[in-house]
Amino acid sequence: SAVISQKPSRDICQRGTSLTIQCQVDSQVTMMFWYRQQPGQSLTLIATANQGSEATYESGFVIDKFPISRPNLTFSTLTVSNMSPEDSSIYLCSVDIPGGRGYTFGSGTRLTVV
Amino acid sequence: QQQVKQSPQSLIVQKGGISIINCAYENTAFDYFPWYQQFPGKGPALLIAIRPDVSEKKEGRFTISFNKSAKQFSLHIMDSQPGDSATYFCAVGGVDSSYKLIFGSGTRLLVRP
Repeated sequence: SAVISQKPSRDICQRGTSLTIQCQVDSQVTMMFWYRQQPGQSLTLIATANQGSEATYESGFVIDKFPISRPNLTFSTLTVSNMSPEDSSIYLCSVDIPGGRGYTFGSGTRLTVV
Repeated sequence: QQQVKQSPQSLIVQKGGISIINCAYENTAFDYFPWYQQFPGKGPALLIAIRPDVSEKKEGRFTISFNKSAKQFSLHIMDSQPGDSATYFCAVGGVDSSYKLIFGSGTRLLVRP
């Protein structure tokens, strides 16, 4: 199955700044997804990252706040812009497992905004 | 609208016992039902998944039971071990949701030695 490398694993950032999270996959995948997991909560989909086109955002998430790049079939970035303490969460990248066997997740980026 | 309802919120089981976690969904168009296991500080790991054409799937100590008419599915962990202590999430997905996964609220399982 696909192996995901997500960087950074954690960061502490000042409010008002931006952080870019990288998701690198060891094989080409069609679909890449970005999720947010607030402390002690479930996973909420932020957007679907499409190679060669604009990302598709879920209700409550906007491109200005969470710009996404997907330059090729193995890589994507999520930027958390103009951060506030409410953005403190775990951000997770997910991809579809080749062969239609489901979806796998990266280990996540634990973001703390102070 | 909550598309996936998961229960219980937390569960304590003795070592060797059976852990049972339930999920109910609303949209009959979903056709993919996975369970994920998450340890603290880690991303969710796919544990087992089922499609609606079967009523049960077993992998080792983990079994999914699926009731299409009731729109419910459950995870059974047989011979529960302390190492199974984690948070478990059910999810639903499929073509109708553009292959996005919608997650349940999670169940925190503690297996006592």
